[in-house]
Amino acid sequence: GQQLNQSPQSMFIQEGEDVSMNCTSSSIFNTWLWYKQDPGEGPVLLIALYKAGELTSNGRLTAQFGITRKDSFLNISASIPSDVGIYFCAGRNTNAGKSTFGDGTTLTVKP
Amino acid sequence: DAGVIQSPRHEVTEMGQEVTLRCKPISGHNSLFWYRQTMMRGLELLIYFNNNVPIDDSGMPEDRFSAKMPNASFSTLKIQPSEPRDSAVYFCASIKGPSTDTQYFGPGTRLTVL
Repeated sequence: GQQLNQSPQSMFIQEGEDVSMNCTSSSIFNTWLWYKQDPGEGPVLLIALYKAGELTSNGRLTAQFGITRKDSFLNISASIPSDVGIYFCAGRNTNAGKSTFGDGTTLTVKP
Repeated sequence: DAGVIQSPRHEVTEMGQEVTLRCKPISGHNSLFWYRQTMMRGLELLIYFNNNVPIDDSGMPEDRFSAKMPNASFSTLKIQPSEPRDSAVYFCASIKGPSTDTQYFGPGTRLTVL
C-alpha cells in the first residue's frame, strides 16, 4: 500500500523560532492534509491542499503541495507554547474519504 | 454540535475479556472511520463505513476485531477476546460526505488490556 514518510520524528525548539516539517510518499496523492493532535485529544485538520504547487496559509501555518504530488511541507512561523503537539500529514487519492497518515512529528516548544 | 462522541474514554480490562467501544458521529455525516493509535504503529485505519455500509475493513487486525454500524448515529468496535497487544487509543472520526476532506475526530478511547 501507499507509505508516507514524515520527518523529523520530533523537534525541540525555542519559543519564537520557525518550524519546518515534511512528508514524502512513494506514490502520488491528489490531496494532502495536515492535522494537529493535542495531548489526550483526537487530530484536528489544520490545512487541506488540492493542487500540485499550491501554497496555503492558516494564520502562522503555511503548507505546500509538492509539484511532484509526492510530498508536502508544513511551516510554522514564530512558534508559541500552544503549538506543542503532534503534527500529522495525510494523503488522499479517492473520493471515498480514506486517508493515509504519516507517523507524526512531535513538537515541543520551550518558553 | 456536540462533535463526535466516544465512550468509554478509558477502559481497563483483563486479557480474554470482551471489549466494546462506542461512537456517535456528527449528525448528518455519512462516513465513519475507526482508527487505532499506538507509539509503535502510529495512526492506523481499521475500518470505515459509508452510509452505514462497511467499505474497507482491510485494516482490521484479525478476526477478534469486528465493527458494526446499525444506523447513521451509532457504531461499535468490538474486540473478543482482548489481548495485551490490543492496548492503544482507539479513535472514531466522521465526515459529511466521501469527497469532504475534514474528518472530525472524537476524543478517543484509551484501552488497556492487562
